[in-house]
Amino acid sequence: ETGVTQTPRHLVMGMTNKKSLKCEQHLGHNAMYWYKQSAKKPLELMFVYNFKEQTENNSVPSRFSPECPNSSHLFLHLHTLQPEDSALYLCASSRSIGQTTYEQYFGPGTRLTVT
Amino acid sequence: AQSVTQPDIHITVSEGASLELRCNYSYGATPYLFWYVQSPGQGLQLLLKYFSGDTLVQGIKGFEAEFKRSQSSFNLRKPSVHWSDAAEYFCAVGAMDTGRRALTFGSGTRLQVQP
Repeated sequence: ETGVTQTPRHLVMGMTNKKSLKCEQHLGHNAMYWYKQSAKKPLELMFVYNFKEQTENNSVPSRFSPECPNSSHLFLHLHTLQPEDSALYLCASSRSIGQTTYEQYFGPGTRLTVT
Repeated sequence: AQSVTQPDIHITVSEGASLELRCNYSYGATPYLFWYVQSPGQGLQLLLKYFSGDTLVQGIKGFEAEFKRSQSSFNLRKPSVHWSDAAEYFCAVGAMDTGRRALTFGSGTRLQVQP
């Protein structure tokens, strides 16, 4: 595997389900990100992790719970979601966030539909 | 805080014609600037980036962009568009602003290519 991979690619879940999205990067990076992309809305940054530590949480509802066990893996745990949470969830990685900004590399995304 | 504006939501060009996609940013210092492309159902792919130095940067797939500080712009250009360039294009700015180290994305420009 190369680059950033995400599984599953598609997910349909009911509002009472619990599911998890997985992201893995094979680029040797130390920062990882979750974004939400909804139709007709700009890309929304959700969470940022740097060396496994969360550095940003952009007021994301608690029904989204991220987990970063190491610099290569990032999870997004989902529970009791709402239909408006249906979107494409993108994972990205970059070199460690220090005194500068680096380009991010994106996975293909997970298309989530909440019924 | 930094922001990015892509004034054109949708652009249609003929195959073989030249292309320019506009991007304006707002940031008090020198920004880091990026262009990404997203094909339907896919993640974002980095086309090119500007950090410093030569204001005309070359990217992949024959794209280039020019940083113009006086106009706060970073427009994307391609001299001859191919049908495979049909996609959505995102401009992004990165900066060390109040501790925010992630990228801020524009709302995107959807490019349609006519035969």
